[in-house]
Amino acid sequence: AQSVTQLGSHVSVSEGALVLLRCNYSSSVPPYLFWYVQYPNQGLQLLLKYTTGATLVKGINGFEAEFKKSETSFHLTKPSAHMSDAAEYFCAFRAYNQGGKLIFGQGTELSVKP
Amino acid sequence: EAEVAQSPRYKITEKSQAVAFWCDPISGHATLYWYRQILGQGPELLVQFQDESVVDDSQLPKDRFSAERLKGVDSTLKIQPAELGDSAMYLCASSRAGQGGYYEQYFGPGTRLTVT
Repeated sequence: AQSVTQLGSHVSVSEGALVLLRCNYSSSVPPYLFWYVQYPNQGLQLLLKYTTGATLVKGINGFEAEFKKSETSFHLTKPSAHMSDAAEYFCAFRAYNQGGKLIFGQGTELSVKP
Repeated sequence: EAEVAQSPRYKITEKSQAVAFWCDPISGHATLYWYRQILGQGPELLVQFQDESVVDDSQLPKDRFSAERLKGVDSTLKIQPAELGDSAMYLCASSRAGQGGYYEQYFGPGTRLTVT
């Protein structure tokens, strides 16, 4: 079955520290992979996406992620956390040519301490 | 910048009552999605429209939920009767197309439903 697993429902970092949010997927076909951010009582905003091509993708707000097929992973990183990064982050994938729906992970809440 | 509009933003209703949510996608977007996000979980697709046609409603509880997109533009999601377990955020998203290729999904702000 196709699924997405986010390791850690809650991650806490200090301001200026490295942010690492983990995502692993399970799919028998090449996936399109996404990271979304959600602030309280708001919709989802796309941070970055991997479809084809370069496996290291850069997104908005200084975030980047690397697609590793051998590890079935798509971890999200940011070198230096900012207080404004505190939010819920969702990894999602869309199996190629199987409709447009996204399958989301459970989410990781990121807290940033001053 | 064009956005997906949803209303209401918040809705409180008693169980067994009917409730409806409205979504207006970005102009020109043929595909419209309704997702349900239970607190502490990721969004899950309820129904997907291509123009006015339903292309995926496999996760829609059809005994109480209905969705329509009569003219292929805006859409309404209805719950009747509402149950306590329906309390969630209902998110609408739209994209240029959904079947093949890749087109980014743009999400609206959501409707937070609380059933008492």
